[in-house]
Formats: sequence, structure tokens, C-alpha cells
Amino acid sequence: EPEVTQTPSHQVTQMGQEVILRCVPISNHLYFYWYRQILGQKVEFLVSFYNNEISEKSEIFDDQFSVERPDGSNFTLKIRSTKLEDSAMYFCASSVAVTRGTQYFGPGTRLTVL
Amino acid sequence: AQSVSQHNHHVILSEAASLELGCNYSYGGTVNLFWYVQYPGQHLQLLLKYFSGDPLVKGIKGFEAEFIKSKFSFNLRKPSVQWSDTAEYFCAATGANNLFFGTGTRLTVIP
Repeated sequence: EPEVTQTPSHQVTQMGQEVILRCVPISNHLYFYWYRQILGQKVEFLVSFYNNEISEKSEIFDDQFSVERPDGSNFTLKIRSTKLEDSAMYFCASSVAVTRGTQYFGPGTRLTVL
Repeated sequence: AQSVSQHNHHVILSEAASLELGCNYSYGGTVNLFWYVQYPGQHLQLLLKYFSGDPLVKGIKGFEAEFIKSKFSFNLRKPSVQWSDTAEYFCAATGANNLFFGTGTRLTVIP
């Protein structure tokens, strides 16, 4: 069964550094998403992406964040200058459709900002 | 604003006990509803989903949920839990381009 994959599984970085989190969505899916889960809190939506552009973003997704689909398979989340409060589990998801599409989640990348 | 509420933060049950986890949503339009499970150290997995039709939906591992539109609820049930059901359970709703998650309910099943 196809799965969403994410690399790395754990990323440790210094405050102020740039990080890129990578995701490979399921191959026939058209919609891609990033969510984050701060330890002990709920899963929060960051951004959705379709047809090579952002379709929706939350208040969390400020100018420090960007997403890109650099090729036909990868979907990346970049944080330009990490802050301590960016420490969280970041989940990528993908779906075939939006309104009736089930989102399938990757295993997550744990980001630790020191 | 769209939101999902899960009022049970931590539920502790003995094996073979029945389970019901509450989920309420607020959204003015057509809503799709989901329950995801996160086993310790693992990623989110879909348990079941409701789009339309029969309001009683059955999912994997013996779970089911009932959509009650008048109560804006989508409670998760299982008649007899097992130790392996110990996990975090998230209710989610989507109306447009994203999923809104509840805060999650941690289920601990005691053997």
C-alpha cells in the first residue's frame, strides 16, 4: 500500500538556522498539506498546496515558512530562521481530492530547535 | 469559525470494557468527519470517515462512529477494547482545504 514518507525523522538545529523538511506524497495524489503538533498539544494545520501554489494557510504559516514542490515527487517545508517555539512534530499529508479526499499522513519529522 | 471539540482528555478502561469517545464540531456547511488514531511512536492513521449516507460508519479494528447532525456530534465507539487500542484518538473535520483536529483523547487500556 502506498505511503507518505518524510525525511529526516528527527532534525536538531540551532535557533536562527534554516531547516528544510522533506515529504514524498502518494504518487497519484494532487493535494498536499503540512501540519504540526507541538508536544502535548493538538495537530494544527499549516498549509495546503495544489497545482503548484498555496491554496490555504493558517495564521501560523507566516513569512518564515515556505513550501515548494521542486520536482514531481517531493514536497518541502522550509523554515527560514527557526525559533525555539518551532520545536514540534511536523506531519506531511496528501489526498486525491479536497472536499471528499481522505488525507493520508506521513510518519512525521520531529524538529528540535536549541 | 470551524472547530472540533473532544471533551475527554484521558480515558482509562479495562480490557473488554466498552468505549465511547465524544466529538463535537461546529461548521455551517457540509462537513466531512474523520477519526484518526496515533499509536505510541507512530503516525496518524485513519480509523474511519463520514462523507454522506448512512450516519453509522464502521472502520477498522472494530471501531464505529455515529454522525448525529442535530447534535453536531461524531462519537467514536467500540464494544470491547483491547490493550492494543491504547493510543491517542483524534477527531477531525474538513470543510474546505484543510483538516481541523480536536485536541485528542488519550486512551489507556489496562490488561
